[in-house]
Amino acid sequence: RKEVEQDPGPFNVPEGATVAFNCTYSNSASQSFFWYRQDCRKEPKLLMSVYSSGNEDGRFTAQLNRASQYISLLIRDSKLSDSATYLCVGNDYKLSFGAGTTVTVRA
Amino acid sequence: DAGVIQSPRHEVTEMGQEVTLRCKPISGHDYLFWYRQTMMRGLELLIYFNNNVPIDDSGMPEDRFSAKMPNASFSTLKIQPSEPRDSAVYFCASSLPGSPLHFGNGTRLTVT
Repeated sequence: RKEVEQDPGPFNVPEGATVAFNCTYSNSASQSFFWYRQDCRKEPKLLMSVYSSGNEDGRFTAQLNRASQYISLLIRDSKLSDSATYLCVGNDYKLSFGAGTTVTVRA
Repeated sequence: DAGVIQSPRHEVTEMGQEVTLRCKPISGHDYLFWYRQTMMRGLELLIYFNNNVPIDDSGMPEDRFSAKMPNASFSTLKIQPSEPRDSAVYFCASSLPGSPLHFGNGTRLTVT
């Protein structure tokens, strides 16, 4: 079993919709988590850090549920430019990434 | 801040040849990571260094792969001999302790 598992999607949503997806983790020692976005043929880029129960940055909200060991990412009022693959990772020493969730926002 | 710098951006080589990938981390970052990304396996950690010392190389596929970090500002990942199944995008990343990773642009390796 992988340390970090994600719903691969794809999530195909219209502009303006809300989309949410989860990332489950097995290493309970992870203290913080990070969401990255990766565009096709590019490097992953940090989207959001989650150090406590959650974080909000504009249209993006991340929530951490330690009891159930998952992190969620919610995107409100989705834009075409939000189309990407979203990767989650914990700060455990191996920094294992999930396989990514693909989101496609259509006009 | 120049970010993490990787070279080359693209590498095409024939099976059996030696390949060397290079990485310059962000100045001051204690940790350096090498990842490989393929469609089938996603983003896999190969090896990481802390203060130039290799800490965990359990992700290195086999003896054909080796990585070094001779100083705080330079690391190499070498494949010898290369095989077609090594074709992938190789990312280098660096970070401060407990902080997010900063990735380089990656090296797209094609082994024919």
